[in-house]
Amino acid sequence: KQEVTQIPAALSVPEGENLVLNCSFTDSAIYNLQWFRQDPGKGLTSLLLIQSSQREQTSGRLNASLDKSSGRSTLYIAASQPGDSATYLCAVRPSGGKLIFGQGTELSVKP
Amino acid sequence: DTAVSQTPKYLVTQMGNDKSIKCEQNLGHDTMYWYKQDSKKFLKIMFSYNNKELIINETVPNRFSPKSPDKAHLNLHINSLELGDSAVYFCASSQGGRASYEQYFGPGTRLTVT
Repeated sequence: KQEVTQIPAALSVPEGENLVLNCSFTDSAIYNLQWFRQDPGKGLTSLLLIQSSQREQTSGRLNASLDKSSGRSTLYIAASQPGDSATYLCAVRPSGGKLIFGQGTELSVKP
Repeated sequence: DTAVSQTPKYLVTQMGNDKSIKCEQNLGHDTMYWYKQDSKKFLKIMFSYNNKELIINETVPNRFSPKSPDKAHLNLHINSLELGDSAVYFCASSQGGRASYEQYFGPGTRLTVT
């Protein structure tokens, strides 16, 4: 049974710092991995999608990596800003189409 | 705006009532999903429809019945609401139902059962 774990559960950093969020999954048989952002009381915004054949994806200050064999992904945020404060969710897609989510990392960037 | 939209945004109701949540996407996708986010913020899939056909049906009480009148709409009807049904329900969509495609989420419906 696929399980997704995100560490840490919460993170507080000063503005400007580079940071890494971690995601691990128990079954390496996945089609892709998706990182989302969720603001309080809002829906999910897709940040990056990494296919199983890819090692990383970049969008602006965000870089996500995928090591399928070890069951790990990281989301790197460069030069963090207060506007980056949100909950970051990692989700893997095994066969069958459904996304399996981790419980998220709540990020707070202090000005 | 191209998006996934849900109505209502908030729903407060009493135990035992029947309620519906509506979802519409104008992204041209043909696969739609319902997810439930519990009080601990854990998101879990409930149902998925591809071209109006049910393709994923997780272990969900049969009080929950999804209905897809067309590819752009997926509604969720809940009978005999219970306190434990209180959660945020998210609708999502993707193109073609293929595993490689990205899922796009709606803003959520916060259901509170009293």
